[in-house]
Amino acid sequence: DAGVTQSPTHLIKTRGQQVTLRCSPKSGHDTVSWYQQALGQGPQFIFQYYEEEERQRGNFPDRFSGHQFPNYSSELNVNALLLGDSALYLCASSAPTDTYEQYFGPGTRLTVT
Amino acid sequence: GEDVEQSLFLSVREGDSSVINCTYTDSSSTYLYWYKQEPGAGLQLLTYIFSNMDMKQDQRLTVLLNKKDKHLSLRIADTQTGDSAIYFCAESMSAGAGSYQLTFGKGTKLSVIP
Repeated sequence: DAGVTQSPTHLIKTRGQQVTLRCSPKSGHDTVSWYQQALGQGPQFIFQYYEEEERQRGNFPDRFSGHQFPNYSSELNVNALLLGDSALYLCASSAPTDTYEQYFGPGTRLTVT
Repeated sequence: GEDVEQSLFLSVREGDSSVINCTYTDSSSTYLYWYKQEPGAGLQLLTYIFSNMDMKQDQRLTVLLNKKDKHLSLRIADTQTGDSAIYFCAESMSAGAGSYQLTFGKGTKLSVIP
């Protein structure tokens, strides 16, 4: 049973560019949450998707947007990249009956130069 | 507001018990969690406890919750070198309709000395 998968593993972008990160949830999970983890910090909640809609959002600017597809996979888009967006981006999925149990993927390391 | 505090470092000898502590501020937290992160990896869910429980035991792991003091601890018995990692405490609250958002501490780096 595959766990949460994310792609790509690493990414290097330049300031001002746009980036798309991808996440496939664990089998049987329908809810996807995205978190940003800066170096030396704990993960911070960006937003959560359920039934292809953004259900909850953390304190992140509109440059951060997302999408969920009918197969429950999800994308995180970041526009107008800033140096401060450099971080590990983590995706977590949860099941319909146990939404408080969130399982994380390995993350995508984004470096903005 | 929500805030989760942890000490940053802990060093123990192999075979000893490790105790990692955490305090949180939001009394309406529903679930409290411990996650483990190894270098260059994502977060592994170790265990969680519902806010109406005092204790939960799972093999070498024991979680204690003092809701009055908003204090959570994780005890790892017979600590091994493979337990060396960063441990994150997290709290969650229901935002309605089955939605939970996790708030994490900054993590405690556990170093196990052989």
